[in-house]
Formats: sequence, structure tokens, C-alpha cells
Amino acid sequence: ILNVEQSPQSLHVQEGDSTNFTCSFPSSNFYALHWYRWETAKSPEALFVMTLNGDEKKKGRISATLNTKEGYSYLYIKGSQPEDSATYLCAFEYGGATNKLIFGTGTLLAVQP
Amino acid sequence: NAGVTQTPKFQVLKTGQSMTLQCAQDMNHNSMYWYRQDPGMGLRLIYYSASEGTTDKGEVPNGYNVSRLNKREFSLRLESAAPSQTSVYFCASSGRSRETQYFGPGTRLLVL
Repeated sequence: ILNVEQSPQSLHVQEGDSTNFTCSFPSSNFYALHWYRWETAKSPEALFVMTLNGDEKKKGRISATLNTKEGYSYLYIKGSQPEDSATYLCAFEYGGATNKLIFGTGTLLAVQP
Repeated sequence: NAGVTQTPKFQVLKTGQSMTLQCAQDMNHNSMYWYRQDPGMGLRLIYYSASEGTTDKGEVPNGYNVSRLNKREFSLRLESAAPSQTSVYFCASSGRSRETQYFGPGTRLLVL
């Protein structure tokens, strides 16, 4: 059974704090690792798709790293803002052409002004 | 460009009733997916369609059927709804592997 774990489950930070979350995934049959941002009452929106060991991706204040050999990815948010409040999901894409994803349960981030 | 659209947005059913959730995408994607999202659990794949004319089971297919009507449309049918199928259902589409999946706005279903 393929399992994707995210930690912490939830996080409360102050505006301006930097923070990071972890996604753990199987180290075999790796195809890609996806990060999504999910705001309440909306649908998940893509942040990154990471495919190579050692990948680092950045979008504004958000960045992510990938270690496929040990099966983890970190998502970093620098200088958190209230609008960063959301659930951050990671999803493990496993081998094959079907783009099937196994999702973690997410990290809920609340940024207090 | 509407992206991925879903209808209805919200539905209440009685146990045993049937209904079809509709999904359409206008991005010319080959692959389409149906997920359900329940509290404390990640998005779980119900069925997917890798291309027009093909469908396959995901992680939690029991109680559901799907139809890939054409490249644009992928519907999910509940033949005899059960309270355990109360959930939020998301449709998604993607071009190919290692590409982002784009999600619809979701359908909130309550089965009494």
C-alpha cells in the first residue's frame, strides 16, 4: 500500500514568520511529487511538480526541495502572510503514463496578522 | 477558458436514489479523474480515464460507475446512494504524466 504522510497536521504562525512542512513518500516507483495549495471552499491549485532528485523549485515566497532517494520533500514559505493561510497538499505520482496520484492529508497553515 | 467545470455544486439524496455527477474540461486533456474528499483523509481516487474510451478503477471504486463520454466529459454515477457516500467530489484533468492535474470546483453530496 502506497502511503504519503505530511507533517505537521496543522501550524499556526505569526505574519512574517518563515515556516516549512514535510511530505514523506515511498522511495520506489517514483514518477513525480506534486504540491498543491488548497484554500477553504475552493479547489486545489498547483504549486509545483518535481521530478528529479535534488530538484528545487520556487514561486515567489514559496519554495520546495525534493529527495527521492530518502523519500521526502520540504515546502518552505518565507515571511508568511495572512493570504498564505490554506491547506498544503503533497501528492506522489507513481510509475506509468496514467498520472495517478496518492495524496497526503495536508498541512493546514494559519497565519495570524 | 473555463478549465474544469462540475455540476451540480450541491445535492441532497435519499438512501437508494441514483444520480450522475457531470464533469467537463476545455483544456484538451487526455486524462480525467474523480476523487472524493472526506474529513481527516486525503483526496482519494475513485476512477480515472487515461484517454477517451478507457476507464479504470482507483482506490475506492465500490458503489460508483463512470462514463468517458468524449474527450471533454467524464461523468460519475451513483446507482444506489448510501450515507457512506456523503462527501465532496472533485473532478480533475491532466495532459499527461508528470503534469499538473487541474481540479474542478467540487460537488458537495449529502446522502440521508
